[in-house]
Amino acid sequence: ETGVTQTPRHLVMGMTNKKSLKCEQHLGHNAMYWYKQSAKKPLELMFVYSLEERVENNSVPSRFSPECPNSSHLFLHLHTLQPEDSALYLCASSQDIPGSNTEAFFGQGTRLTVV
Amino acid sequence: TQLLEQSPQFLSIQEGENLTVYCNSSSVFSSLQWYRQEPGEGPVLLVTVVTGGEVKKLKRLTFQFGDARKDSSLHITAAQPGDTGLYLCAGAVGGNYQLIWGAGTKLIIKP
Repeated sequence: ETGVTQTPRHLVMGMTNKKSLKCEQHLGHNAMYWYKQSAKKPLELMFVYSLEERVENNSVPSRFSPECPNSSHLFLHLHTLQPEDSALYLCASSQDIPGSNTEAFFGQGTRLTVV
Repeated sequence: TQLLEQSPQFLSIQEGENLTVYCNSSSVFSSLQWYRQEPGEGPVLLVTVVTGGEVKKLKRLTFQFGDARKDSSLHITAAQPGDTGLYLCAGAVGGNYQLIWGAGTKLIIKP
């Protein structure tokens, strides 16, 4: 069983749909993250949770709504997305919020296409 | 705005050749990480460098952190098809938990 599991792996949704991305970590980590990865661009940090509390929200549009019900699960709720939101959405976890030597463990990502 | 520039953006070489990719910034980092991301997968950490001038070796991969902790390089000796992937660098700024990411170098090693 992999450390960080994301579902679904692929998602195609219309601009009026509502969907959710799920992330689960089995590593006993305290911090979880959502990143957006677009081609030829640096990873964009969207949300950070530490011990189930949201630590950071990097000016992400309200059409993205995170939820962290416990330290092992993280959701990203999506509604009324735009085509430019199409990207690979990566979930990651780490023992603690990044310091100098904190390793982030990533899931395989959800490839999202908004049509 | 803190930026990490990676070069080249894309590199395609034959198996057995050597290569170096670079990660440069005007910012000073407390540490820098290198990740490799294979198609359809998330990034996986290869190494973390912390000390200016530090050199770390991982089999055929050699990582160096610049003396001023503003840049880093990854050298691969005798590249193999299994080295194919997207190589990402990410820097940590002291006191700020957000990593600064580069856009990556896409490496293809042809058999």
